[in-house]
Amino acid sequence: DTAVSQTPKYLVTQMGNDKSIKCEQNLGHDTMYWYKQDSKKFLKIMFSYNNKELIINETVPNRFSPKSPDKAHLNLHINSLELGDSAVYFCASSLSLGQFRYEQYFGPGTRLTVT
Amino acid sequence: AQKVTQAQTEISVVEKEDVTLDCVYETRDTTYYLFWYKQPPSGELVFLIRRNSFDEQNEISGRYSWNFQKSTSSFNFTITASQVVDSAVYFCALSGPDNTDKLIFGTGTRLQVFP
Repeated sequence: DTAVSQTPKYLVTQMGNDKSIKCEQNLGHDTMYWYKQDSKKFLKIMFSYNNKELIINETVPNRFSPKSPDKAHLNLHINSLELGDSAVYFCASSLSLGQFRYEQYFGPGTRLTVT
Repeated sequence: AQKVTQAQTEISVVEKEDVTLDCVYETRDTTYYLFWYKQPPSGELVFLIRRNSFDEQNEISGRYSWNFQKSTSSFNFTITASQVVDSAVYFCALSGPDNTDKLIFGTGTRLQVFP
């Protein structure tokens, strides 16, 4: 059973195009995240949604727009792709209960290559 | 500001050697959470352990053990009798207590275990 799934796994596209990455979790979690991992393996959060509400919005270009249609899904749409957007994008999910922080479970990642 | 430092960029060992991966963190929160994740060559991020700031007990899980010391702000990870399958990048991460707190990752330590 796949816990956190992402599609597509690989995405190769040209500069200026618009693309979307989809994420779904079947863990019953209420919080979902998008992370970017650069070529040096540095992981940084981009967005976080709790019960479909945006709670973390890092300094990310407006070209990136997350959308959470329900608690189990968090999609990432990227407009006008640039070379610097090339990276691996990870979706993650976790439970969130008051001041107890649970671990995040990550999807397999989407390797985006912009040419 | 929160920060996680993994000073060891890369470690190489021969199978069956013990190896310790260091993690030093900085935070002003009195309640915080520490995590370790493994990223094997296949690319996924695998959760290994979560620790909260009030629980300084060391943890052992098979060949893996973790040493949490608040006095030195460290949360080190030891693999006993390493195996080739342990080869991966290991990330230490830190989070505050609130749902809006980001999970801050260290830069990772690449462990290579040679047969």
